[in-house]
Amino acid sequence: AQSVTQPDIHITVSEGASLELRCNYSYGATPYLFWYVQSPGQGLQLLLKYFSGDTLVQGIKGFEAEFKRSQSSFNLRKPSVHWSDAAEYFCAVGARGGGADGLTFGKGTHLIIQP
Amino acid sequence: DAGVIQSPRHEVTEMGQEVTLRCKPISGHDYLFWYRQTMMRGLELLIYFNNNVPIDDSGMPEDRFSAKMPNASFSTLKIQPSEPRDSAVYFCASSLQWGTKNIQYFGAGTRLSVL
Repeated sequence: AQSVTQPDIHITVSEGASLELRCNYSYGATPYLFWYVQSPGQGLQLLLKYFSGDTLVQGIKGFEAEFKRSQSSFNLRKPSVHWSDAAEYFCAVGARGGGADGLTFGKGTHLIIQP
Repeated sequence: DAGVIQSPRHEVTEMGQEVTLRCKPISGHDYLFWYRQTMMRGLELLIYFNNNVPIDDSGMPEDRFSAKMPNASFSTLKIQPSEPRDSAVYFCASSLQWGTKNIQYFGAGTRLSVL
């Protein structure tokens, strides 16, 4: 079974600074990878996804993520954060192949933006 | 499209009472998922449906939990009797097609508090 680790429970970044949120996964092959964002009181919104091909994927709101097979990682980055980026961020893994199993989520990283 | 709609947004009940959470998936989506989010365990898949049929309910924690999907536009998650440890945010998600490659769209969630 797949698993996801987000090592940072909380991250504080100054507005305008760069951001990197870490995600490591465990899966027997290359999984489908996702980053979701959850604003306070809201549901999860998809930021970006990786299925195959180019390992650097672009998402909404200026986010990008890079799939590194050798490190089993799928870190999320943004060059300059805005106060509105304060939220909970979830990395998720989806199994390839048969079945429509639900996603396996990490525990999330809470992003705090300092003015 | 209005997205995935969940009701109620907040539910406060007393231990032993029956609780029913409701979900309307995005029209045309064949898959519906119920997740539970807690601080301790993060986001966990409880059950999912394909074309109104339950496919995998292995994540349902106990027999006190049950889920139904009487038609393509409505699903319920019921807890009877409820217990304080059931307090969590419950999310419903839907996706268009088979396989985790297909994007899951989440509702805003129901925050359940069992006193």
